[in-house]
Amino acid sequence: KAGVTQTPRYLIKTRGQQVTLSCSPISGHRSVSWYQQTPGQGLQFLFEYFSETQRNKGNFPGRFSGRQFSNSRSEMNVSTLELGDSALYLCASRGTNYNEQFFGPGTRLTVL
Amino acid sequence: GQQLNQSPQSMFIQEGEDVSMNCTSSSIFNTWLWYKQDPGEGPVLLIALYKAGELTSNGRLTAQFGITRKDSFLNISASIPSDVGIYFCAGQEPRDDKIIFGKGTRLHILP
Repeated sequence: KAGVTQTPRYLIKTRGQQVTLSCSPISGHRSVSWYQQTPGQGLQFLFEYFSETQRNKGNFPGRFSGRQFSNSRSEMNVSTLELGDSALYLCASRGTNYNEQFFGPGTRLTVL
Repeated sequence: GQQLNQSPQSMFIQEGEDVSMNCTSSSIFNTWLWYKQDPGEGPVLLIALYKAGELTSNGRLTAQFGITRKDSFLNISASIPSDVGIYFCAGQEPRDDKIIFGKGTRLHILP
């Protein structure tokens, strides 16, 4: 069974631009969560989608948004990029055992 | 929201030594999870704990769900070089099933 996949793996953008990251969960998993990881703050929860609906949301500004499609694939968008948005963005999926969460390899975003 | 305090922040040990790290929270969790992250990769789930007092092993790793549901520990026995990495605890909040993370314990193994 394939794991969680994320594309692209690396991205370089400049301030003010916007970016879209993609995540494909493990087959059969309907929950997808997004996290931002930085050296100083650790893993910060962004949001979770379940069956195309946002189920939970962390404390990030409205520039961070997401969506989920009917095939459970999810995208995360960040508009008006700031230098502080440079981070590893991790996607994780959960299946019928909703207690266990599995991560993808992440997308490393660098904002110049 | 809940806060997870993970300690220690980093550890330097000799190969072959045992390791212990723990997490405490300001309120209860339904589930405790322990992950390991290698450089440039996503965290990998090591152990999941579902009820208070539960003690679970995965090879040389042992983790326990605290009786109060507000803490958990992870032990690694007889450490080897590939144990190097960052270990994260995570807890599932009972109110909304959100999973939140500690800030990690960075394990270094001295030759």
